[in-house]
Amino acid sequence: SQQGEEDPQALSIQEGENATMNCSYKTSINNLQWYRQNSGRGLVHLILIRSNEREKHSGRLRVTLDTSKKSSSLLITASRAADTASYFCATPTFGNEKLTFGTGTRLTIIP
Amino acid sequence: KAGVTQTPRYLIKTRGQQVTLSCSPISGHRSVSWYQQTPGQGLQFLFEYFSETQRNKGNFPGRFSGRQFSNSRSEMNVSTLELGDSALYLCASSTWTGGALDTQYFGPGTRLTVL
Repeated sequence: SQQGEEDPQALSIQEGENATMNCSYKTSINNLQWYRQNSGRGLVHLILIRSNEREKHSGRLRVTLDTSKKSSSLLITASRAADTASYFCATPTFGNEKLTFGTGTRLTIIP
Repeated sequence: KAGVTQTPRYLIKTRGQQVTLSCSPISGHRSVSWYQQTPGQGLQFLFEYFSETQRNKGNFPGRFSGRQFSNSRSEMNVSTLELGDSALYLCASSTWTGGALDTQYFGPGTRLTVL
């Protein structure tokens, strides 16, 4: 079963624009993580935000976390063609011994 | 540090055969997790090992098994392969912080095709 549901499922934007993806989850968490996956390859960790944090930045990435709404968002600013990928949120569950992934957002950057 | 490595990268098998996949974690990481990724089911947790002990198992049949060695390297085995086992199998290693799973670092995956 999926802990996280991501919205939108697919997103196409022009290069240079900002991209925002949202993730909702069901149970209480210690942290939430975002990953990127290029087509058919392994997952690359982008950022981890802990439950006591509300916002975190890493380069062109900005992540917010609202534990009251059980939701998180990932903002990619000034998008580039290389940002084309699928993006997943993930939360630890089962006593923090596994990650449960969302359904993913497929992001396409149009040059 | 070297990243997580998985071997082989690609594998083609026929129904009924068995397969063993290997994962070498990042040096110092004692937790190794396995995930299956398919277009229909997405990313699903298979199992997690920590210091050679399986701590949790996902909702997969007993045909899926794994183990971890004293050097933290892990293998997973799938017996009596079915067409539906065709997937990308991902391994991840991590450390723990404050009783919670920390950042998981993933390998490139093994693409298994069952014919």
